[in-house]
Amino acid sequence: SQQGEEDPQALSIQEGENATMNCSYKTSINNLQWYRQNSGRGLVHLILIRSNEREKHSGRLRVTLDTSKKSSSLLITASRAADTASYFCATNPISGAGSYQLTFGKGTKLSVIP
Amino acid sequence: SQTIHQWPATLVQPVGSPLSLECTVEGTSNPNLYWYRQAAGRGLQLLFYSVGIGQISSEVPQNLSASRPQDRQFILSSKKLLLSDSGFYLCAWTPGPLPGTEAFFGQGTRLTVV
Repeated sequence: SQQGEEDPQALSIQEGENATMNCSYKTSINNLQWYRQNSGRGLVHLILIRSNEREKHSGRLRVTLDTSKKSSSLLITASRAADTASYFCATNPISGAGSYQLTFGKGTKLSVIP
Repeated sequence: SQTIHQWPATLVQPVGSPLSLECTVEGTSNPNLYWYRQAAGRGLQLLFYSVGIGQISSEVPQNLSASRPQDRQFILSSKKLLLSDSGFYLCAWTPGPLPGTEAFFGQGTRLTVV
């Protein structure tokens, strides 16, 4: 089953604008991760935020985590055409055998128009 | 540096034929290994994961099986393919032995069952 749900499903913006994607999940987590997938390719890890962190930055990426609302957001600032891809959030359960798993959402398809 | 190899990139197989997809990781030891399937426009569904040689955990009852004959080799198999087995198959690894770290993905295998 898929725990993470991204919103929106698709997003189209102009180059230079900011893109915000949201992720909601259902159970307690150890961490939440964001991945990027170019069409027909494997996923690439972008950023990991732990359950005791509220915000994390990496270059033009900013991720927030609200464990009380079970939600996260990914902000890409000053978008570029090369940012066009699908973005997925993935949750890592807090403990037990499931802690080896990553559960992915359906993704947000981002199109950046030059 | 660590690399992950997954092959073949594309595969067209008739219904009822066998399947063998191979994934190998280089540059690390004792990785956690994963097989995911991605249906068109959907997120990733975890099929199998392995935390050691000969240790396979299955997440979804189905027509597929997995094996880990060597530390850095993970194989996805089927004795008789179904049309519903079509999809994009992704192998991934995380640094072992602890859970909850970022995943590194192969480039995927596009399987079409005809």
